[in-house]
Amino acid sequence: SQQGEEDPQALSIQEGENATMNCSYKTSINNLQWYRQNSGRGLVHLILIRSNEREKHSGRLRVTLDTSKKSSSLLITASRAADTASYFCAFHIIQGAQKLVFGQGTRLTINP
Amino acid sequence: GAVVSQHPSRVICKSGTSVKIECRSLDFQATTMFWYRQFPKQSLMLMATSNEGSKATYEQGVEKDKFLINHASLTLSTLTVTSAHPEDSSFYICSAYLAGEVQYFGPGTRLTVL
Repeated sequence: SQQGEEDPQALSIQEGENATMNCSYKTSINNLQWYRQNSGRGLVHLILIRSNEREKHSGRLRVTLDTSKKSSSLLITASRAADTASYFCAFHIIQGAQKLVFGQGTRLTINP
Repeated sequence: GAVVSQHPSRVICKSGTSVKIECRSLDFQATTMFWYRQFPKQSLMLMATSNEGSKATYEQGVEKDKFLINHASLTLSTLTVTSAHPEDSSFYICSAYLAGEVQYFGPGTRLTVL
């Protein structure tokens, strides 16, 4: 299966702590993206990191990419209750046509 | 920003009936849209790529006669679940590219087949 793997599957932390999620993939990628999904809703794009980049920041988000290990991590600093959601990595591949392949997701719960 | 809408947001139908789900790009044109399926507490699985003016490209294992896709205009793609059965109950989400690598997702349609 092309699908990416994420760990942990679930993460529960206290407000103010940092949350780290990891993603691994198997194929060559053009870029890797992280999305957020609130329960029963659509996905919201958070950040994109290209295959030639190693680290990227956006506000309280920090993403790293290690193409040699085919892995990425998403760090959310100073977490807030509103960060409670599921987070998915998605890797962008081009096999004839472009498509996104999603990881299994991490359910993040921030406890007030 | 780019907005993608879906209609209906929820649908409940009887087994054997067909259900049509619409996906619209509201403020941009999308030559390509994507249809995903998501089971509870699971990830998104790409079902098919919808191409304006041509046939959809289906992922392996997805029955094209079961899930009919029509992309008749640059702002509208439809997914019809034909002869729906309880195992088709799921959350269906569409998305579209806006000039780049980021996909914008619709809010999803929850289908329940009784």
